[in-house]
Amino acid sequence: GAVVSQHPSRVICKSGTSVKIECRSLDFQATTMFWYRQFPKQSLMLMATSNEGSKATYEQGVEKDKFLINHASLTLSTLTVTSAHPEDSSFYICSARYSGGSADTQYFGPGTRLTVL
Amino acid sequence: SQQGEEDPQALSIQEGENATMNCSYKTSINNLQWYRQNSGRGLVHLILIRSNEREKHSGRLRVTLDTSKKSSSLLITASRAADTASYFCATATNQAGTALIFGKGTTLSVSS
Repeated sequence: GAVVSQHPSRVICKSGTSVKIECRSLDFQATTMFWYRQFPKQSLMLMATSNEGSKATYEQGVEKDKFLINHASLTLSTLTVTSAHPEDSSFYICSARYSGGSADTQYFGPGTRLTVL
Repeated sequence: SQQGEEDPQALSIQEGENATMNCSYKTSINNLQWYRQNSGRGLVHLILIRSNEREKHSGRLRVTLDTSKKSSSLLITASRAADTASYFCATATNQAGTALIFGKGTTLSVSS
């Protein structure tokens, strides 16, 4: 199956700093990627939809100026958590939508664990 | 946003027993998918069932879908300790380019 990678897998940062998380589709092109956030013992919550070459669409309650998304190419989307605070500590998971052939499936990255001190 | 509820929230069984998890959703769907997530890890895709299907099997997994009730169930037969994980249903709508929306999940614990 298709592979999606995320980097870094784990990051610890100080409060007030910015953190960039990369999401790459390794063997297919993805015009659409999605970013989810998962707090401990909770489900995945969709944060935003990232479309290549256009602005991301954010879900209600997600601050676009705090969570900057850039989908610069068909294989890369980045999420930057600006001025991170402890409450931003979470598991961030991206997915890339594959629309080839008869399949229309999202492939998920392995996630990035962000800890803000 | 989330589609709806899964029940039970937590399920503890013995090895060899069957585990049944249910998922309800709110909107019309194109397909429904089940995922597994081990603690602190990424998602593993288990099975996809389309809106025109009623039942699907994959190994020890059996999924049913009732679109009239907007509900699905995941049955794991002859459970093993390695099945211990959280299980999530996720729905895809007919609208192109939209994300999967996840249910709240069921945490399954299988003891040996």
